[in-house]
Amino acid sequence: SQTIHQWPATLVQPVGSPLSLECTVEGTSNPNLYWYRQAAGRGLQLLFYSVGIGQISSEVPQNLSASRPQDRQFILSSKKLLLSDSGFYLCAWSTGSNQPQHFGDGTRLSIL
Amino acid sequence: GQQLNQSPQSMFIQEGEDVSMNCTSSSIFNTWLWYKQDPGEGPVLLIALYKAGELTSNGRLTAQFGITRKDSFLNISASIPSDVGIYFCAGDNTDKLIFGTGTRLQVFP
Repeated sequence: SQTIHQWPATLVQPVGSPLSLECTVEGTSNPNLYWYRQAAGRGLQLLFYSVGIGQISSEVPQNLSASRPQDRQFILSSKKLLLSDSGFYLCAWSTGSNQPQHFGDGTRLSIL
Repeated sequence: GQQLNQSPQSMFIQEGEDVSMNCTSSSIFNTWLWYKQDPGEGPVLLIALYKAGELTSNGRLTAQFGITRKDSFLNISASIPSDVGIYFCAGDNTDKLIFGTGTRLQVFP
């Protein structure tokens, strides 16, 4: 069966520091991969999605970037974190367009 | 970003009661999904709907894909304490999901 792993589960970083969040999927090939951010008590905002290795689509202009170095690995990065980058970051995968997305357990990022 | 209108925003009900929530959009979707999110965790898929008019059940949960393709409904029958959480609808018509604003459900014994 397919599984999705995100780490770390929680992270506290100072303003201006770099960021790397990792997401891996097991049990499937060539998945669509997604990064979302969720503010407290709010819905999910799509940040990036990828339909294949090296293919990244950005949904909103921001301080973050994404990369997909391997088929089942999706990385969210920043060179210099801002206070406004705080939030709950979720990775998700699907088998393709119009197919349900399945989420990881998320990373709670706090910026001090 | 774009979001679907989900109502009610929150519900406080007694254990055993039935629950109804809905989601509306100005856009047509090809797929409607319902998720539940527990605190500190990622959303978990409850029901997926692929066809206008489709009615699908998953245990005590029943969801419908509206005929106009612009809305969907989720019903929970005989609520129990573990139904507590935030319920999100989501519409999909490309590679992207558009999420509703969420319905926070509290169940009292």
